[in-house]
Amino acid sequence: DGGITQSPKYLFRKEGQNVTLSCEQNLNHDAMYWYRQDPGQGLRLIYYSQIVNDFQKGDIAEGYSVSREKKESFPLTVTSAQKNPTAFYLCASSTRRGSMNTEAFFGQGTRLTVV
Amino acid sequence: DAKTTQPTSMDCAEGRAANLPCNHSTISGNEYVYWYRQIHSQGPQYIIHGLKNNETNEMASLIITEDRKSSTLILPHATLRDTAVYYCIVRVATRNQFYFGTGTSLTVIP
Repeated sequence: DGGITQSPKYLFRKEGQNVTLSCEQNLNHDAMYWYRQDPGQGLRLIYYSQIVNDFQKGDIAEGYSVSREKKESFPLTVTSAQKNPTAFYLCASSTRRGSMNTEAFFGQGTRLTVV
Repeated sequence: DAKTTQPTSMDCAEGRAANLPCNHSTISGNEYVYWYRQIHSQGPQYIIHGLKNNETNEMASLIITEDRKSSTLILPHATLRDTAVYYCIVRVATRNQFYFGTGTSLTVIP
């Protein structure tokens, strides 16, 4: 089945450790995104990538890093510089038709807990 | 991108139509209206989107006012599985960002 896969679903890390969240899509989408969601809040954009080897900061990029070496993959690293890393992380992808960007499809999320 | 305003929460009786409003008074001519929903602890699910005309698909209908300053998502026959947070988003077609607010928490009551 085509879709977007995030792994793992739950992740625990000790404070001060870097951790990488995986996001893979087989939808042949050009654009990929990372969002963070805190309890009772909407989604906030961390990073997005429109094409391989290119990415831009979103609204809350501090303490995070990404790479886009392959079209299918957009891993997010939560570094020790991120002051409040415990959150629900969502990855999404979308494609373009002509000059239009289509709807985004989301993965099922990774819940990161830092202790 | 234009901002949206939605009620914090709504209830709807099972089997009845759920009408979820959204205000986007600063919307520009090239901004689309998108609706997503999120069931607890899952990724948001795309529902529908539109620019000017009303739209309908197998999940819902989207009614956009003539001045485009507001819209309504209609779930024609709400079921318990429709209980979720519903997000209204306006987005420029050529930009690759989706901005989510806090949405409307819809509870479908048996």
